[in-house]
Parts: sequence; C-alpha cells; structure tokens
Amino acid sequence: AQKITQTQPGMFVQEKEAVTLDCTYDTSDQSYGLFWYKQPSSGEMIFLIYQGSYDEQNATEGRYSLNFQKARKSANLVISASQLGDSAMYFCAITGGFKTIFGAGTRLFVKA
Amino acid sequence: NAGVTQTPKFQVLKTGQSMTLQCAQDMNHNSMYWYRQDPGMGLRLIYYSASEGTTDKGEVPNGYNVSRLNKREFSLRLESAAPSQTSVYFCASSENPEEGYGYTFGSGTRLTVV
Repeated sequence: AQKITQTQPGMFVQEKEAVTLDCTYDTSDQSYGLFWYKQPSSGEMIFLIYQGSYDEQNATEGRYSLNFQKARKSANLVISASQLGDSAMYFCAITGGFKTIFGAGTRLFVKA
Repeated sequence: NAGVTQTPKFQVLKTGQSMTLQCAQDMNHNSMYWYRQDPGMGLRLIYYSASEGTTDKGEVPNGYNVSRLNKREFSLRLESAAPSQTSVYFCASSENPEEGYGYTFGSGTRLTVV
C-alpha cells in the first residue's frame, strides 16, 4: 500500500520569499511517481510538477521545484519568490500503477 | 475548451435516494478516476478506469458503482445515498500517470445527503 504524509496543516510565507512544503511517502513499489497539485480557494485542482522515482535530477517547473530525496522517502515542494496568488492548498501525491494516492494537504498563506 | 466536464455541480439528496454523477473528457485520455474530498482528508480514490473497458476499486469504493461507458465517459453511481457520502466529488483523467502525465480534474460536484 502507498501512503503520503504531509505534516504541515498550514504554512505562512512572506511575499517574494521561498517556502518549502514537506511531503514524505511510503511505498513498496520500485517504480513510482510523485506529484504536487494546487487547489486555490475556487476549488479546482491544478497539476504543478512531477518526479519519477528513477529521475536523477530534481524536477523544476518555473518557480516550482521538487526536492527529491529517495533514501529519505521525501519529495518536498519548493516555491521560490512567493506571490499572493500562491495562497492555496497544496497536495502531494504518489502514483503506482494507475492509482494516485493523495496526502491531506498543506494550506499556504502568502502575506503581503 | 478541452477538459473534464462534470455534471451536476451541486446536488442535494435524501437518504436512500440514488443518483449518477456524469463525467466526460475530450482529451482522448486513457485513464479516468473518481475521487471524493472531505475536509482535512485530502482526496480519496473511489474507483478508477485504467483504460476503456476496465474499472477497479480504489481506497473507498463501498456504496459506489462506476461505468466506463466509452473512452470519453466515466460515471459514478450512488445506489442508496447515505449522509456519510456528503462530500465534494472530483472526476479526473490522465494519459498515463505512470509516465508523468498529471491529472486534469473536473470542477467538482458538491453533494449533500440529508
């Protein structure tokens, strides 16, 4: 069985600063993928970034990067230069086969 | 606009009533999913369909049934609604999450069972 743990229910960050959202996972699969999604207050779910378990380099997508530490089973999301529009819920997820399991999420508040 | 369309957006049911949530995608994706989102619990997988003609149970399938009608459509049925099924339901599709393709989500259905 796969499991995602996000230990930070809420985080605050000052506008223009960087922030790290924590994610640890558990899986018995050798091959798996890790995803991050954003859910603004409007409710839609937005795919942000993906990291494959065999990828040697950390994934980056614009201001988003994924700090992947395989031995520690962590896949933290780093948002650089935070913007007010980054205020949202963020979900970490793991895929094995076609099933994707989500964590409980972290709510990020960006302060002006 | 290309994407995932869910209907209805809102629904109130009485305990014991049945209903079907509809989902259609126009991106020619192979896999489709139904999740429910409850406060503080993230998204939990109800059922998924890896490809047309196949369906499989997820984390919380009890009380639900699904039909992959064709490649575009994947419906979720509540046969006898219970208050515990009050939730926001999301349909999603993906070309193949194992290859790094993220989900495209519908806008959600807010279901209340009284």
